[in-house]
Amino acid sequence: GAVVSQHPSWVICKSGTSVKIECRSLDFQATTMFWYRQFPKQSLMLMATSNEGSKATYEQGVEKDKFLINHASLTLSTLTVTSAHPEDSSFYICSVQGSFRYNEQFFGPGTRLTVL
Amino acid sequence: RKEVEQDPGPFNVPEGATVAFNCTYSNSASQSFFWYRQDCRKEPKLLMSVYSSGNEDGRFTAQLNRASQYISLLIRDSKLSDSATYLCVVRPGGSGNTGKLIFGQGTTLQVKP
Repeated sequence: GAVVSQHPSWVICKSGTSVKIECRSLDFQATTMFWYRQFPKQSLMLMATSNEGSKATYEQGVEKDKFLINHASLTLSTLTVTSAHPEDSSFYICSVQGSFRYNEQFFGPGTRLTVL
Repeated sequence: RKEVEQDPGPFNVPEGATVAFNCTYSNSASQSFFWYRQDCRKEPKLLMSVYSSGNEDGRFTAQLNRASQYISLLIRDSKLSDSATYLCVVRPGGSGNTGKLIFGQGTTLQVKP
């Protein structure tokens, strides 16, 4: 399967600052990337779907101006949490999907964000 | 109603036991079904896809009942290493769904020596 990395693996920041999380597909051209969020003892919740070179599609209830997604190339997508608050503290996970292996997604190792 | 529902458990079983997890989904047009495994503070990893005819992979057997919108996972001869959270995952159908996945809350399994 595809190898997906995320950076950073964990981050602690002060309330009000912005945090950028990178998701890289190391050996796979990802036409579509997904961003999920998981709070403790809860399921993964899809935040947005991004397609390379176009605007992301956000799920209902996810603020697009707060969670900025950029999918500039087939191997890189970034999620920026703007003006982070303690309630944004969560486990953020990306996944990648290729155009020729439609039925399979590969997940990154996740980024644990703590906002103080 | 949640789109994918699972009993969160935990299920505490001795080594060697057989354990079954169930899952129901609300969207009758759902296309694909999976079981993922998630270890504590890690990303989910695909355990197996679930097919209408039922499928088996070693000690793991998955079943799908489209009429009842019900998915199951059976683990035989449990190992300590099977301790994890098992996520029932559904890919919705319909146009505009570009492969996104809907995750259940997960069922926690703890296998004891």
